[in-house]
Amino acid sequence: AAGVIQSPRHLIKEKRETATLKCYPIPRHDTVYWYQQGPGQDPQFLISFYEKMQSDKGSIPDRFSAQQFSDYHSELNMSSLELGDSALYFCASSQGRGTYEQYFGPGTRLTVT
Amino acid sequence: GENVEQHPSTLSVQEGDSAVIKCTYSDSASNYFPWYKQELGKGPQLIIDIRSNVGEKKDQRIAVTLNKTAKHFSLHITETQPEDSAVYFCAASTSGSARQLTFGSGTQLTVLP
Repeated sequence: AAGVIQSPRHLIKEKRETATLKCYPIPRHDTVYWYQQGPGQDPQFLISFYEKMQSDKGSIPDRFSAQQFSDYHSELNMSSLELGDSALYFCASSQGRGTYEQYFGPGTRLTVT
Repeated sequence: GENVEQHPSTLSVQEGDSAVIKCTYSDSASNYFPWYKQELGKGPQLIIDIRSNVGEKKDQRIAVTLNKTAKHFSLHITETQPEDSAVYFCAASTSGSARQLTFGSGTQLTVLP
C-alpha cells in the first residue's frame, strides 16, 4: 500500500539558512500534520492542514511556515535556522477531518551546523 | 492542554514473555488513543488504537485496554519476539476540530532472544 512520502530524507544546513521540507500524503488523504521529534524525545505537533486550509497550530516557531497545495502535498518552510532546529521532522496524513488515524512518513532528518 | 505520561521508559523481556506499557492522560475530553511503534531511523507506525467507547481491543498478539474513569490505557504484547524490539509511543487525541496527537515519552522495549 502507498505510504506517506517525505523529501528530502536528510538535509544539512548552516545556521541562518532556509530549508524546505516536502510531504506527499497517502492518496485520497486530505489532511496533513507536521511533527518535530528531537533526539530521544516524543514527536511534538507543529501544524496541520485540512483541504488546503490551516486546521490547527501547535508549538511551531514564527520562523516556520507551511502550506498545503491543490494536490494535497504540503511543504514546511523553515527560515533563520538555529542549532536547536536539528531534529527529525515527520509528516502524517489522514483521510478526512473527522478521521482519527494518522499515518506517518519516514521523516526528514534536518541537521543544522 | 493534554498531557500524556508513559511508563516504563525502558523494558526488557525474554522472548516469549509478555510486555505491558502503561499511559495516563489528563484531558477528559480525549477520546482516541493510538499506539505507535518506532524503529530506529523510521517513522512511527500505527499498530493499534482504541476509542473511548470501547474498553478493550485485540489484534493478534497485541491488545489495548482503556479505563476512562481512571484516565489510563495500556498496551499488552504477548509472546514477544525479537522483532518487537523498538520504541513504543502512546498518544491521545480529542474530538475537537484538531486531531493533533499528544504523545507519551516513549518506552524502549528490548526482547532478549
